[in-house]
Amino acid sequence: DAKTTQPPSMDCAEGRAANLPCNHSTISGNEYVYWYRQIHSQGPQYIIHGLKNNETNEMASLIITEDRKSSTLILPHATLRDTAVYYCIVIEAAGNKLTFGGGTRVLVKP
Amino acid sequence: GAVVSQHPSRVICKSGTSVKIECRSLDFQATTMFWYRQFPKQSLMLMATSNEGSKATYEQGVEKDKFLINHASLTLSTLTVTSAHPEDSSFYICSAGTLPGYTFGSGTRLTVV
Repeated sequence: DAKTTQPPSMDCAEGRAANLPCNHSTISGNEYVYWYRQIHSQGPQYIIHGLKNNETNEMASLIITEDRKSSTLILPHATLRDTAVYYCIVIEAAGNKLTFGGGTRVLVKP
Repeated sequence: GAVVSQHPSRVICKSGTSVKIECRSLDFQATTMFWYRQFPKQSLMLMATSNEGSKATYEQGVEKDKFLINHASLTLSTLTVTSAHPEDSSFYICSAGTLPGYTFGSGTRLTVV
């Protein structure tokens, strides 16, 4: 079973920031939080991951709460091409199998 | 970055025939690859873990005699759907563990008629 809970869907306006929440209240100390997205009819794409510190890359920012029980993926300036299903996944280490939950279907509107 | 090439992207086959899907790591070696299946409007479901030079590890409920996995080299894993039936119609995706995150193939849409 997936260890994360995400809202099933959300809309956001083009050009605005999109904040995607994820609950992972049973996360253990050596588990990372990974985010992937899947654009329709394509394979998932890695976005970002973190352990306990906030992380930022060219695609997004990841904010992890101090107790590590939840996190937020931030797309700073959403574009229409960011329309996708976003998956938050908790995993112990790279190389272990990924278990996908339901994800959040994000629709970016003009 | 790392690239995983999956072929074919789309295939239609007749019921009762077998179909082979290839997954190649183009610029890196992958001792482990993962195979997923995705039905319309559903999430990805892990089918099996493919290990180079050894038998694949199948998830509970996945028939290993129906979904044959071969990982004969460090750059190629294949999934063969044997005696395909219409209910096997799905989107099949492979992935390999790379840094910083896993790299996925573009998927194979299988339609069994």
